[in-house]
Amino acid sequence: QLQLQESGPGLVKPSETLSLTCTVSGGSISSSSYYWGWIRQPPGKGLEWIGSIYYSGSTYYNPSLKSRVTISVDTSKNQFSLKLSSVTAADTAVYYCARHLTGYSPNNWFDPWGQGTLVTVSS
Amino acid sequence: SSELTQDPAVSVALGQTVRITCQGDSLRSYYASWYQQKPGQAPVLVIYGKNNRPSGIPDRFSGSSSGNTASLTITGAQAEDEADYYCNSRDSSGNHPFGGGTKLTVL
Repeated sequence: QLQLQESGPGLVKPSETLSLTCTVSGGSISSSSYYWGWIRQPPGKGLEWIGSIYYSGSTYYNPSLKSRVTISVDTSKNQFSLKLSSVTAADTAVYYCARHLTGYSPNNWFDPWGQGTLVTVSS
Repeated sequence: SSELTQDPAVSVALGQTVRITCQGDSLRSYYASWYQQKPGQAPVLVIYGKNNRPSGIPDRFSGSSSGNTASLTITGAQAEDEADYYCNSRDSSGNHPFGGGTKLTVL
């Protein structure tokens, strides 16, 4: 079945850029209808959607993070990636990737999710 | 506004029925999806669309919507249903916010 796995550094210094990759297995990232999303969860807090990308490169971003976020896709590797610039301690969180159904219909959901990876911002 | 509002905490007696709600203007136009998250685990989709359950989700979970409010109902709550529950939807500008989450306690 479809599986997603996040990877990247677990520690990032303040003001630097956080970079994570999500590898999709058991299916193609070029599947029609599905976007691929990033969601984060600070310790002890709720979920925050960061952004989502279609295999063609079309993106949706959270307006509150848009100025610092870049999401890209590499269909040849079946991967998509997140870059978050100018990080601070407030960006410390577990970062999840997930398949995201959205678009022009009223439907919208995230399934399945990766296991998540903790990224700590600290000097 | 695309904000989604949930009650922070709800409790239910074992075997009873509980409704968890999610309010937001975007819910008048878009369906909510619901996620269960247990400590230390990734969220799991439990309800999507009008009232659909992914494979493996017990039929005691159901969803509904009226006006600006979406609801997740657990009929006959079990001890294993104790978890955090989050709603998610989208708005016409392409924002996809989550609600703040509801901590469900099964007594």
